[in-house]
Amino acid sequence: DGGITQSPKYLFRKEGQNVTLSCEQNLNHDAMYWYRQDPGQGLRLIYYSQIVNDFQKGDIAEGYSVSREKKESFPLTVTSAQKNPTAFYLCASSTGQGTVYQPQHFGDGTRLSIL
Amino acid sequence: AQSVSQHNHHVILSEAASLELGCNYSYGGTVNLFWYVQYPGQHLQLLLKYFSGDPLVKGIKGFEAEFIKSKFSFNLRKPSVQWSDTAEYFCAVRHPAAGNKLTFGGGTRVLVKP
Repeated sequence: DGGITQSPKYLFRKEGQNVTLSCEQNLNHDAMYWYRQDPGQGLRLIYYSQIVNDFQKGDIAEGYSVSREKKESFPLTVTSAQKNPTAFYLCASSTGQGTVYQPQHFGDGTRLSIL
Repeated sequence: AQSVSQHNHHVILSEAASLELGCNYSYGGTVNLFWYVQYPGQHLQLLLKYFSGDPLVKGIKGFEAEFIKSKFSFNLRKPSVQWSDTAEYFCAVRHPAAGNKLTFGGGTRVLVKP
């Protein structure tokens, strides 16, 4: 079945460490996204990529970094500069733009906690 | 700043009651509108979407939403809820001029009592 795979499901980090969250999709989608979900704040966009080797900052990019070397992969690194990294992280993908835009599909998420 | 507002953070109702969740946005011009649902322990799923045409949109599981352009609103409705509708519901807006980005509301947690 086609879909989005996020790993790991749960992740623990010590203060001062960088951690990388994985997101893989086999939907052949061009665009991929990372969101952070906090209670009462909905989903906030961290980074997104509309094509391989290109990505843009979302609304809360500080303390995060991404890469898009392959169409199917969009890993997110939470750096030690992110002051409040404990959250639920969601990856999504979509295809098309403009009038052929299709809604985003979401992964199951990764819950990151600070030890 | 552009924003999406869901005014109800928590809703509790009994089975067979009617449900209406509010969503307002502040974008001008053409927008695409979405409602997503997140059932406990599951990933976000698309409930329904509005791109153009009939402003009354029907989605899965008996949900519908009405786009009222003059009110910048896209409220979600279901005439008779079931216990299985217990979930968190998110409104989202895409402004085509901003590419594929979605802006989400804060979400509404709905608890349906059996």
